[in-house]
Amino acid sequence: SQTIHQWPATLVQPVGSPLSLECTVEGTSNPNLYWYRQAAGRGLQLLFYSVGIGQISSEVPQNLSASRPQDRQFILSSKKLLLSDSGFYLCAWSVLGLAGADTQYFGPGTRLTVL
Amino acid sequence: GQQLNQSPQSMFIQEGEDVSMNCTSSSIFNTWLWYKQDPGEGPVLLIALYKAGELTSNGRLTAQFGITRKDSFLNISASIPSDVGIYFCAGQGGAQKLVFGQGTRLTINP
Repeated sequence: SQTIHQWPATLVQPVGSPLSLECTVEGTSNPNLYWYRQAAGRGLQLLFYSVGIGQISSEVPQNLSASRPQDRQFILSSKKLLLSDSGFYLCAWSVLGLAGADTQYFGPGTRLTVL
Repeated sequence: GQQLNQSPQSMFIQEGEDVSMNCTSSSIFNTWLWYKQDPGEGPVLLIALYKAGELTSNGRLTAQFGITRKDSFLNISASIPSDVGIYFCAGQGGAQKLVFGQGTRLTINP
């Protein structure tokens, strides 16, 4: 069966510091991978998605970046964190089904607090 | 772009009551998904719907893919305390990316 991991689970960082969040998936090959941010426990904002190694699409302009160095690894980064980067970051994976159905499965999330 | 309207935004019910929530879209969808999120955790997929008119159950949960392909509802029967959380709908049209509703926060009074 497939599993998805995220780490760290929680992170407290000062403004201006760098960021690296990691997501890995097991039990599937060539998944689509996604990074979402969730503020105040409501609403999911898609940040990045990837359909393959080295292929990254950005949904919103921001000071975050994403990379996919391996098939089942997705990394979210920042060179300098802002206060507004605080939130709950979720990674998700999917494998397109019949007629392109994109059923996504989420990881446990990383709670980021920028002080 | 595609938009989802999920309602209600929040619900306060008594234990044992039935719950109903729905999502409507501005365009036709081919896939409807329902997730539940517990505090501090990632959303968990409850039910996936892939055909217009499809009615699917998962225990006390029942969801339907509207015949117009622009709406879906989720019902929970005989609510229990562990049903508390935020429920999200998500829909996808054609080759578009999945779009999420804003969530329904369910609170249950024992």
